[in-house]
Amino acid sequence: AQKVTQAQTEISVVEKEDVTLDCVYETRDTTYYLFWYKQPPSGELVFLIRRNSFDEQNEISGRYSWNFQKSTSSFNFTITASQVVDSAVYFCALSEAEAAGNKLTFGGGTRVLVKP
Amino acid sequence: DVKVTQSSRYLVKRTGEKVFLECVQDMDHENMFWYRQDPGLGLRLIYFSYDVKMKEKGDIPEGYSVSREKKERFSLILESASTNQTSMYLCASTPPDRAYEQYFGPGTRLTVT
Repeated sequence: AQKVTQAQTEISVVEKEDVTLDCVYETRDTTYYLFWYKQPPSGELVFLIRRNSFDEQNEISGRYSWNFQKSTSSFNFTITASQVVDSAVYFCALSEAEAAGNKLTFGGGTRVLVKP
Repeated sequence: DVKVTQSSRYLVKRTGEKVFLECVQDMDHENMFWYRQDPGLGLRLIYFSYDVKMKEKGDIPEGYSVSREKKERFSLILESASTNQTSMYLCASTPPDRAYEQYFGPGTRLTVT
């Protein structure tokens, strides 16, 4: 069965520091998708990124970057020069290609608190 | 913009009551999902539906049922609410051309006393 583990439950940083969120996954499928979602205090989950299992290129979007390493089953997320608005809970998720309805399996989430 | 709305942000119910949580999406999405979110456990899938009147159990369906009579509306039903169903409930839907991308509603925080 698929599983996603986010070992860090909470990270506290001071503004402008970098923060890296770890995500480790387990799956028996060779084709799968990995996601990161952000949940700000308002509660609504916001989609950040999707990667498929055949694309191991790292990705950068503004202050956000993602490091996908198939060899270690990890999909880590880094926020560079953090800002107070980055304070949120971040979820890593996995979807197996053969899963009906594109079901997502979520990790437990990492709460990021950015202090001014 | 895609819009997924949920009928209530906060709800307080008594043990044994029948509870309806409503979710509506306005973009003709095929798939709709109900999750519950608990601290440290992330989101866990309760039920999902890939078409009108079609439903599939997720990982934790016990104590819940669902209804999808119209494409835009997906209801979660707690037949007899219990205190261990106190949680945040999130609805999501996916567009037909990007089935991997789930759009979430704002959530309903349900307290069962």
